[in-house]
Amino acid sequence: GENVEQHPSTLSVQEGDSAVIKCTYSDSASNYFPWYKQELGKGPQLIIDIRSNVGEKKDQRIAVTLNKTAKHFSLHITETQPEDSAVYFCAASSTTGNQFYFGTGTSLTVIP
Amino acid sequence: DTGVSQDPRHKITKRGQNVTFRCDPISEHNRLYWYRQTLGQGPEFLTYFQNEAQLEKSRLLSDRFSAERPKGSFSTLEIQRTEQGDSAMYLCASSTRGGRGRLSSGNTIYFGEGSWLTVV
Repeated sequence: GENVEQHPSTLSVQEGDSAVIKCTYSDSASNYFPWYKQELGKGPQLIIDIRSNVGEKKDQRIAVTLNKTAKHFSLHITETQPEDSAVYFCAASSTTGNQFYFGTGTSLTVIP
Repeated sequence: DTGVSQDPRHKITKRGQNVTFRCDPISEHNRLYWYRQTLGQGPEFLTYFQNEAQLEKSRLLSDRFSAERPKGSFSTLEIQRTEQGDSAMYLCASSTRGGRGRLSSGNTIYFGEGSWLTVV
């Protein structure tokens, strides 16, 4: 099955700086890669996703890049704000698969 | 608010007791998933339904766990004879699944707020 690894496990940045979280996957059949933000005591919330037919996708301060050859994808948050502090999870799935495989999470702290 | 509703949000139970969680998915979603999440870990797949049919179960879903989706709408997850190792957050998620030939925008899954289980 798919194996998703995520780094770093913790990340602290100054407010206004950028944050980058990286994930690798093992199954070349995976072609859908969502990112979720999870705040304490709440369920994961989808923040952005990317499909394998594109290399980059942006949504305001958030962007995701995908390198299918290297089997890795990254989340970029620019101009970080304290409310960006949360745990972020990457995931991988395929259109024919029925499961989403999650990374172990990155705890992001934005220091005011 | 993603629209997936879970109940109860928190449950404390004694070891050996049975517990049941309920999930109401987003109304037009035909797929429903159960995941389990422990502290410091990502969600782990337990099972999923396509309408009322349970199509896949993880090996994490022991015989003490049973999930149903009788009318293809809400779902229940029951844990019998709970053990301390069952303490976790149980997450429900839902999505749509397109038919053959359609772009699978329905791969996107939306989670509920989770049901925390503490077994003492």
